[in-house]
Amino acid sequence: DVKVTQSSRYLVKRTGEKVFLECVQDMDHENMFWYRQDPGLGLRLIYFSYDVKMKEKGDIPEGYSVSREKKERFSLILESASTNQTSMYLCASIPLWDPSTDTQYFGPGTRLTVL
Amino acid sequence: SQQGEEDPQALSIQEGENATMNCSYKTSINNLQWYRQNSGRGLVHLILIRSNEREKHSGRLRVTLDTSKKSSSLLITASRAADTASYFCATDAVGAQKLVFGQGTRLTINP
Repeated sequence: DVKVTQSSRYLVKRTGEKVFLECVQDMDHENMFWYRQDPGLGLRLIYFSYDVKMKEKGDIPEGYSVSREKKERFSLILESASTNQTSMYLCASIPLWDPSTDTQYFGPGTRLTVL
Repeated sequence: SQQGEEDPQALSIQEGENATMNCSYKTSINNLQWYRQNSGRGLVHLILIRSNEREKHSGRLRVTLDTSKKSSSLLITASRAADTASYFCATDAVGAQKLVFGQGTRLTINP
């Protein structure tokens, strides 16, 4: 089974802190994604990556950056956390994009609270 | 941008009844997927239906896709209390190479 893990289930940070959210997948998938989930808004794509050192902006990249130095690891970075970044963050991965067959495999999520 | 939109936003039924949730989207898609999320947990993939398919079954799940109306429905038959969760549709738009999720339907099954 594909396993996608996230470094923390719950995280509390203060406004202005730099925050790192780590995601690791163990199935050699090329594509990795970061979403945030907020009540009433569903999932929104922040950033995604097709390969090592490659990144693409999603729908709401402002205030975030990402790093993909190794294929199995995709990090989401909040350079200066703000209270409006309090949310549930979900990481996902899939192998090379094949829209006819592939689904995304999700991690358990990190609930981030920014005070 | 394209977005899957679920309807209704919340649904509450009695155990044993069937639950139907709908999803509409705006542009051409390669496939449409349904996910389930229990409170505070990650997402679990339920079923994928391709743009050239009209109906698909998996256990108590039945998914239909009408590309002419740009809509899909998820039917859960003989519902159980354990089916209580939020259900999301996600569309893979042609040329977009990413999934776009809807806001979800919160389903509550009353024992």
